[in-house]
Amino acid sequence: QKEVEQDPGPLSVPEGAIVSLNCTYSNSAFQYFMWYRQYSRKGPELLMYTYSSGNKEDGRFTAQVDKSSKYISLFIRDSQPSDSATYLCAMREGGGADGLTFGKGTHLIIQP
Amino acid sequence: DTEVTQTPKHLVMGMTNKKSLKCEQHMGHRAMYWYKQKAKKPPELMFVYSYEKLSINESVPSRFSPECPNSSLLNLHLHALQPEDSALYLCASSQDVSVESLFGPGTRLTVT
Repeated sequence: QKEVEQDPGPLSVPEGAIVSLNCTYSNSAFQYFMWYRQYSRKGPELLMYTYSSGNKEDGRFTAQVDKSSKYISLFIRDSQPSDSATYLCAMREGGGADGLTFGKGTHLIIQP
Repeated sequence: DTEVTQTPKHLVMGMTNKKSLKCEQHMGHRAMYWYKQKAKKPPELMFVYSYEKLSINESVPSRFSPECPNSSLLNLHLHALQPEDSALYLCASSQDVSVESLFGPGTRLTVT
């Protein structure tokens, strides 16, 4: 089973707030975890990529993976109105020809 | 060159037409993918090419025909489509099938 659960929102927060986005999954074989940002009518833009468990930070973005809990998170610090978009988590097993399994996406709104 | 390009950006076609979508990358990526995305839904995997060979076909109807002429190009040939095939068609590539995928901007297809 390759189901990935993600709350579709919308999630509305004031500018400057810390945003927490999450996904849970059931397939313990997933090893590669990604977060994409997608603006309306555009292709997904890769934000963060993590292999296995751990944390990764890039500017205002932090990705966390907890494989024991099958839970991944994306934190956005000092949120800006330009961060308003749909955020998709995605994952794959790896080790073979395998496409990405996506969550439904969370629609994030940053209020000025 | 660190991006995936797709042409055309928009396409309107009748149900009896034959058209092709094109995707190109010059990053040396050896895996390329076609995804279909309906409004407010996550991308759904259609095809995976690994080292120019079709490795995954997710039970896609035969009216969609992929082609990988070389390691930089990926085409999707369309014939006798239905109105419900209207969607954003996304191409992606990755260095191999175990690392992150980069997406193109997509082709917005409308079938009339």
